Amino acid sequence: AQTVTQSQPEMSVQEAETVTLSCTYDTSESNYYLFWYKQPPSRQMILVIRQEAYKQQNATENRFSVNFQKAAKSFSLKISDSQLGDTAMYFCAFMTRGGADGLTFGKGTHLIIQP
Amino acid sequence: SQTIHQWPATLVQPVGSPLSLECTVEGTSNPNLYWYRQAAGRGLQLLFYSVGIGQISSEVPQNLSASRPQDRQFILSSKKLLLSDSGFYLCAWTRARSYEQYFGPGTRLTVT
Repeated sequence: AQTVTQSQPEMSVQEAETVTLSCTYDTSESNYYLFWYKQPPSRQMILVIRQEAYKQQNATENRFSVNFQKAAKSFSLKISDSQLGDTAMYFCAFMTRGGADGLTFGKGTHLIIQP
Repeated sequence: SQTIHQWPATLVQPVGSPLSLECTVEGTSNPNLYWYRQAAGRGLQLLFYSVGIGQISSEVPQNLSASRPQDRQFILSSKKLLLSDSGFYLCAWTRARSYEQYFGPGTRLTVT
């Protein structure tokens, strides 16, 4: 079974700063996918970024980027030039290749962007 | 484009009452469908998934059940609700053989 650990229950930074959220996972699989989801107060789960385990290049989506360290089983999310709208719960998630058995989520990090 | 709907958005039910939550996906065919539950202040827990009509896999033994009567419809049910069934229920879908999961707006269930 896979496990996902997010060790930072809450983080707070000033607007325009850069913040990094940590995630580690445990799996015996070699082919898998990793994701970061954002859950604002509306509770809608929004896909932020994804990473395929077979790709060495780190994924980037505008202000969001990841640092994927496969050997260390680490998958951190960096948010650059943080904005007030980035305030939300952020969940790291894991899926085996094929994905039919769904996502395994971490417990989340509550990110607060201060004005 | 594809959209996913859930209803009701909010539900308050007494202990021992039945439950039926519905999820439908538009704009795609043969999606993989999922039910997750999020307890207060916690991450999401996978409850059920389905790769086709009538095909349901359960991840957590409990008093909930799921059905998929049509290709793009996924229903979560219970015959008798427990207090511990309270939570936020999310439906999600992926295209078959894909890996990106997209979530519906969720249903907030309070069992009193």
